[in-house]
Amino acid sequence: QQQVKQSPQSLIVQKGGISIINCAYENTAFDYFPWYQQFPGKGPALLIAIRPDVSEKKEGRFTISFNKSAKQFSLHIMDSQPGDSATYFCAAPGRPNAGGTSYGKLTFGQGTILTVHP
Amino acid sequence: NAGVTQTPKFQVLKTGQSMTLQCAQDMNHEYMSWYRQDPGMGLRLIHYSVGAGITDQGEVPNGYNVSRSTTEDFPLRLLSAAPSQTSVYFCASSYSIMGGYTFGSGTRLTVV
Repeated sequence: QQQVKQSPQSLIVQKGGISIINCAYENTAFDYFPWYQQFPGKGPALLIAIRPDVSEKKEGRFTISFNKSAKQFSLHIMDSQPGDSATYFCAAPGRPNAGGTSYGKLTFGQGTILTVHP
Repeated sequence: NAGVTQTPKFQVLKTGQSMTLQCAQDMNHEYMSWYRQDPGMGLRLIHYSVGAGITDQGEVPNGYNVSRSTTEDFPLRLLSAAPSQTSVYFCASSYSIMGGYTFGSGTRLTVV
């Protein structure tokens, strides 16, 4: 099974600081690496994603860095705000499988609980 | 559009009972998945589907069955509930993995 290892498990930063969350993955059927954000009592929601043709993707204060050779990618949150306090999940597609359904499989990391203090 | 609708929102089962968690989407998405969320374990994939009639196992399929007879519905069946199946269950759908999954609001299941 696809393994997606996420760290740290929890993270506390001060308002205005930089939050960094890391993920490592194994072989995937294709290169697509999203980050999801989840608030208490809600389902996860897509935050930002990177596709195979770039090594970095930036949307506002959120940036994904992607290192294909190391099979790692990370989320950077610049100028962290208390409203960013949530659980963050990285995800990766499944490995190629004999049934040919791996293109529909998305495996998530263990999650990082981010707390931003005012 | 309602998005992804999961029912029920809360459920308490006794060990050995069976039940079906319902999931319906009105976005004509081909891809649907079931995840369970447990503290410290993240979101673990139970089963997924890439279209009507096509399902496959995820990381933790034991004790669960699925079927996909229509594009809209993807029910998850617990065959004989066990306390280890106490969890929050999320259903998600997408027109493409790269389009991002839309998640339902979850079903909190307790097995006693």
